[in-house]
Amino acid sequence: EIVMTQSPATLSVSPGERATLSCRASQSVGTNLAWYQHKPGQAPRLLIFGASTRATGIPARFSGSGSGTDFTLTISSLQSEDFAVYYCQQYYNWPPRYTFGQGTKLDIK
Amino acid sequence: EVQLVESGGGLVQPGGSLRLSCAASGFTFSNFRMSWVRQAPGKGLEWVANIKQDGSEEWYAGSVKGRVTISRDNAENSLYLQMNSLRAEDTAVYYCARDFPDISGWYYFDQWGQGTLLTVSS
Repeated sequence: EIVMTQSPATLSVSPGERATLSCRASQSVGTNLAWYQHKPGQAPRLLIFGASTRATGIPARFSGSGSGTDFTLTISSLQSEDFAVYYCQQYYNWPPRYTFGQGTKLDIK
Repeated sequence: EVQLVESGGGLVQPGGSLRLSCAASGFTFSNFRMSWVRQAPGKGLEWVANIKQDGSEEWYAGSVKGRVTISRDNAENSLYLQMNSLRAEDTAVYYCARDFPDISGWYYFDQWGQGTLLTVSS
């Protein structure tokens, strides 16, 4: 099983500042990496797929980068609605053995 | 607008059974693989099961294999998860999610429902 490790577990950032979230895979997943935003009581929301492609309707302040084992999600200027938990997920295996990171909680500082 | 609406959660005793449902609308359901993903209280997301468009192929996480069956009814635009021999560790919010192929031919989850809570407790 490919283990996904996210850091930090919690990130406290002020509105308007930049947030950088990291995700590491235990083996290469190429660019088969997605990022999701999850708020309590809501459906998770796809932000990024293919490591760097924004999903439809996702603001340009969200960007993804990386390949292989190391990935980054950057939010360039935090808005109040961005405070949530963020998950990375690899979709490299077939048959599917999708795995998620444990999440990074983005808190208001 | 794509909608995925889960139902069927509730309180079940250990060893019991339950079937979760997901009603899909706003897209051609039969064209997409579908998955179930769960989130235990205070934990992260865990993929549970996946089913091919025509229902001919199913895949399961090791933690549920042998106790869970994913199925679908394309005529009813519905996805199901039959859960048997339930354990306390199956307590979670269960989400249905649409699988979408990327350029590699493998799948990420582009649409999610809001989830249904299953609690396994005596």
